[in-house]
Amino acid sequence: DIQMTQSPSTLSASVGDRVTITCRASQRINNLLAWYQQKPGKAPKVLIYKASTLQSDVPSRFSGSGSGTEFTLTITTLQPDDFATYYCQQYDTYPTFGQGTKVDSK
Amino acid sequence: EVQLVESGGNLVQPGGSLRLSCVASGFTFSNFAMNWVRQAPGKGPEWVSAVGGDGSHTYTAESVRGRFRVSRDNSQNTLSLQMTNLRADDTAIYYCAKGPKVSAMAPFDSWGLGTLVIVS
Repeated sequence: DIQMTQSPSTLSASVGDRVTITCRASQRINNLLAWYQQKPGKAPKVLIYKASTLQSDVPSRFSGSGSGTEFTLTITTLQPDDFATYYCQQYDTYPTFGQGTKVDSK
Repeated sequence: EVQLVESGGNLVQPGGSLRLSCVASGFTFSNFAMNWVRQAPGKGPEWVSAVGGDGSHTYTAESVRGRFRVSRDNSQNTLSLQMTNLRADDTAIYYCAKGPKVSAMAPFDSWGLGTLVIVS
């Protein structure tokens, strides 16, 4: 299995901050990487796929970048609705997820 | 609007069996691969199994291979997961999740609300 490692595990931020989350794959994944947002008691929701393509209806303050084995999710101006846990997922082979990054209020 | 509604979760003893179902609506079911994804309490999601649009190709995570079997009935817009020889570490919320194409299992662009399986 391809291992996905996210950092940090927890991130404390304020509304208006720029937030960056990193995801590293244990091997190259042909940019087949997605980012999900999950709120407590809800199912995950896809934000980004193919490393940088924004899913429809996702606000443009979310963006994805990276290639090879290192990828980044950026939230340019954190909004109150963005406090959640974020997961990366590779789908070059059988899908695997990172362990998650919880974004909470500073 | 895509809707996925899971059912069948329950409390079951170790070694027992359970069958989960997911009824889909709002899209042409046979045109999309479908997945089961689980999430143990306090943990991240874990992909479990997938089936292509016509049901002829199935894929299963190593952690459940030989114990879980995925299937679909396109005439009933239903996805199923037959789980046998259940273990305590199978305890999780099980989600039904839609793939983006008939033969592409991910990314998962729609999810159900989940059904809870407790093995104890």
